[in-house]
Amino acid sequence: SQTIHQWPATLVQPVGSPLSLECTVEGTSNPNLYWYRQAAGRGLQLLFYSVGIGQISSEVPQNLSASRPQDRQFILSSKKLLLSDSGFYLCAWMRSSGLSSYEQYFGPGTRLTVT
Amino acid sequence: AQSVTQPDIHITVSEGASLELRCNYSYGATPYLFWYVQSPGQGLQLLLKYFSGDTLVQGIKGFEAEFKRSQSSFNLRKPSVHWSDAAEYFCAVGHGSSNTGKLIFGQGTTLQVKP
Repeated sequence: SQTIHQWPATLVQPVGSPLSLECTVEGTSNPNLYWYRQAAGRGLQLLFYSVGIGQISSEVPQNLSASRPQDRQFILSSKKLLLSDSGFYLCAWMRSSGLSSYEQYFGPGTRLTVT
Repeated sequence: AQSVTQPDIHITVSEGASLELRCNYSYGATPYLFWYVQSPGQGLQLLLKYFSGDTLVQGIKGFEAEFKRSQSSFNLRKPSVHWSDAAEYFCAVGHGSSNTGKLIFGQGTTLQVKP
């Protein structure tokens, strides 16, 4: 079976500090990968998605970047955090082939507080 | 452009009562539709999905949803709510190319269950 991991689970960082959030998927190959942000009391905003190693698409211009150094690893980064980067960050994966179009599975999330 | 509307931001029902959460979508072709549930501080869990075929789909935890093309709706139902169903519920629709697998989410409905 497939499993998706995110770490850290919670993070408190000062404004201006760097950020690195990691997401890994087990039990599948060549998945599509997604980063979402969920601000308090709001819905999900797609930040980045990747259909393969080194292939990153950005949905929203912002202070963040993403990378996919390995097939099942997706990293969300920032060089200098802003207060507005606070939120709940969710990683998700999807099978890249077959009859599971758009069917995404989510990780447990990372709660980021920028102080 | 595709969009998803969940008209009810917050719903309160008594334990044992029936539940219906509304979802309306805007999409030109046959949509791929999903319902997800999110407990506080957790990731999203897929409840059920509709791709084609039978318009009444069954999901996990006793939930079902009915696709009504004429009304552009995909409402989630449960005949008898349990206290553990208290959570936030998101409706989503597949967006753009199936290769990218992107989803558009509604703003969510928070379900409170009274004892």
